[in-house]
Amino acid sequence: KAGVTQTPRYLIKTRGQQVTLSCSPISGHRSVSWYQQTPGQGLQFLFEYFSETQRNKGNFPGRFSGRQFSNSRSEMNVSTLELGDSALYLCASSLEGLAGVKKQYFGPGTRLTVL
Amino acid sequence: GENVEQHPSTLSVQEGDSAVIKCTYSDSASNYFPWYKQELGKRPQLIIDIRSNVGEKKDQRIAVTLNKTAKHFSLHITETQPEDSAVYFCAAKGSGGSNYKLTFGKGTLLTVNP
Repeated sequence: KAGVTQTPRYLIKTRGQQVTLSCSPISGHRSVSWYQQTPGQGLQFLFEYFSETQRNKGNFPGRFSGRQFSNSRSEMNVSTLELGDSALYLCASSLEGLAGVKKQYFGPGTRLTVL
Repeated sequence: GENVEQHPSTLSVQEGDSAVIKCTYSDSASNYFPWYKQELGKRPQLIIDIRSNVGEKKDQRIAVTLNKTAKHFSLHITETQPEDSAVYFCAAKGSGGSNYKLTFGKGTLLTVNP
């Protein structure tokens, strides 16, 4: 099976612009989670989508949004970019299997640089 | 919501020694605890996980132990090798509803010196 893919892999934007990142989960996986990773902060949870519905949301401002399509592909959007949004954005897909288990498989990430 | 604390933030060992990373969690209803390894410039990879109905799990040189009463779990790596050098993240899955997600610790940078 193909793994989780993310596009683009690298992105450079300027402050005030907006950006859309894409994530294609492993075939058959219906849950997609997004994380922001910065040095010293680890993996900060942004949101999770399951069957086209946002199921969980982290503590990020409303400038961060996302959606999921019927084929489970997901996009996240960041509007009015700030310098502090520079980070590696990771998505992870999960097969909702055995009760209590949530094995997440990560994509390679999108490296966003805001100038 | 769930809160996961991970210690130490950095760990340096000599090749062949053992390494132990510890995590505590806050939600007593959490029932799934994975560990991820992230090498420099690469994506996090699931290396081992444990469910709350199990106290210990081993896979070759790595093992995870879980103490539900104390709400902590640990990763043990024996006979460390230079290729074990990476950042390790623990995580806990909260209870249902809006907490049905993984909460990660802040990571431990493990360096194995040859």
